[in-house]
Amino acid sequence: EPEVTQTPSHQVTQMGQEVILRCVPISNHLYFYWYRQILGQKVEFLVSFYNNEISEKSEIFDDQFSVERPDGSNFTLKIRSTKLEDSAMYFCASNSNTEAFFGQGTRLTVV
Amino acid sequence: GENVEQHPSTLSVQEGDSAVIKCTYSDSASNYFPWYKQELGKRPQLIIDIRSNVGEKKDQRIAVTLNKTAKHFSLHITETQPEDSAVYFCAASSGGKLIFGQGTELSVKP
Repeated sequence: EPEVTQTPSHQVTQMGQEVILRCVPISNHLYFYWYRQILGQKVEFLVSFYNNEISEKSEIFDDQFSVERPDGSNFTLKIRSTKLEDSAMYFCASNSNTEAFFGQGTRLTVV
Repeated sequence: GENVEQHPSTLSVQEGDSAVIKCTYSDSASNYFPWYKQELGKRPQLIIDIRSNVGEKKDQRIAVTLNKTAKHFSLHITETQPEDSAVYFCAASSGGKLIFGQGTELSVKP
């Protein structure tokens, strides 16, 4: 069964450093998303991406964040200068109609 | 803005009892309502979903009801088992992105 894959599973970074989280969506899906879940809290929408551009973003997705689909398969989330409060689980998701398929997540720890 | 409220935040039941989790949403354009089960450290797993043209859907021990007029939807789990213990999230969607509720930690005691 096809699935969304994310790498790395866990990333530890120094405050102020840049991180890139990677995702490979399901190959025939057209819509891609990033969500964030701070430990013990709900899953929060960050950004949606369709036709090689951002279709919607939340208030959380400020200038420190960017997304890219550089090669037609990978879908990346970049955080330019990480802050302590960026520590969270980041989930990538893709869908073709309505049902979203989630990756296993990347746990980002900013120290 | 768009918001989904979920209650209760924690729910403890005896094995074999039923569990009910309720959500309300604010965006009247929402037309898709999935429910996810999340175990510790894992991804959300879709367990059931309902679209706005349907009032009720059932899959074995799990059922979901939707009241579009009141903007309410609920998850019903019957004959609960210890392996049902997890955090459950409702969500609402109007164009692909999901707006999640705050989650319900369900504990099923043997």
